[in-house]
Amino acid sequence: DIQLTQSPSFLSASVGDRVTITCRASQDISSFLAWYQQKPGKAPKLLIYAASTFQSGVPSRFSGSGSGTEFTLTISSLQPEDFATYYCQQLNSYPLTFGGGTKVEIK
Amino acid sequence: EVQLVESGGGLVQPGGSLRLSCAASGFSFSDHYMDWVRQAPGKGLEWVGRIRNKVNSYTTEYAASVKGRFTISRDDSKNSLYLQMNSLKTEDTAVYYCARGSGLWFDPWGQGTLVTVSS
Repeated sequence: DIQLTQSPSFLSASVGDRVTITCRASQDISSFLAWYQQKPGKAPKLLIYAASTFQSGVPSRFSGSGSGTEFTLTISSLQPEDFATYYCQQLNSYPLTFGGGTKVEIK
Repeated sequence: EVQLVESGGGLVQPGGSLRLSCAASGFSFSDHYMDWVRQAPGKGLEWVGRIRNKVNSYTTEYAASVKGRFTISRDDSKNSLYLQMNSLKTEDTAVYYCARGSGLWFDPWGQGTLVTVSS
């Protein structure tokens, strides 16, 4: 199984900060990586797929990069509505797997 | 509007069974793969399984943790997805989400339905 390791698992940041979340895969997954945002009590929401392609409607302050085994999600200027938990997911091979999540909280 | 609505969750005893449903609307359901994902209380996301579309013979994939106990099916005539859960364990307690899947993403997700396995 492909393991996804997200770091950090928790981060405290202020509105306007630049935030970077890393997702490392235990083996090469090419660009078969997606990022999701989840707010408390809500379903996850797709942000980015194929490592760097925006889902329609996602603000441009979100960006994704990487390929192979190392990926990043960057929020260029954190907004109040961005405080949430973020998950990466690999779709390269079965079983499909998610990272452990990164909780972004207000400093 | 593309929408998925789960139902069928509830309290069940260990060893029991439950069937979840997911009603789809706003898109061509029969064309798409569909997935189930669960989230235990306070924990992360765990993929449960997938059912492909008719073109791909409705074949299925499962996580090891549920293989042999859970069965995913679909009824394209009713735009509905199902998850039959047997031999339930306390560790199956979670919110269960259905999601429209593809080779690149899960989108959208339903609002989830809570399954509690407890005596």
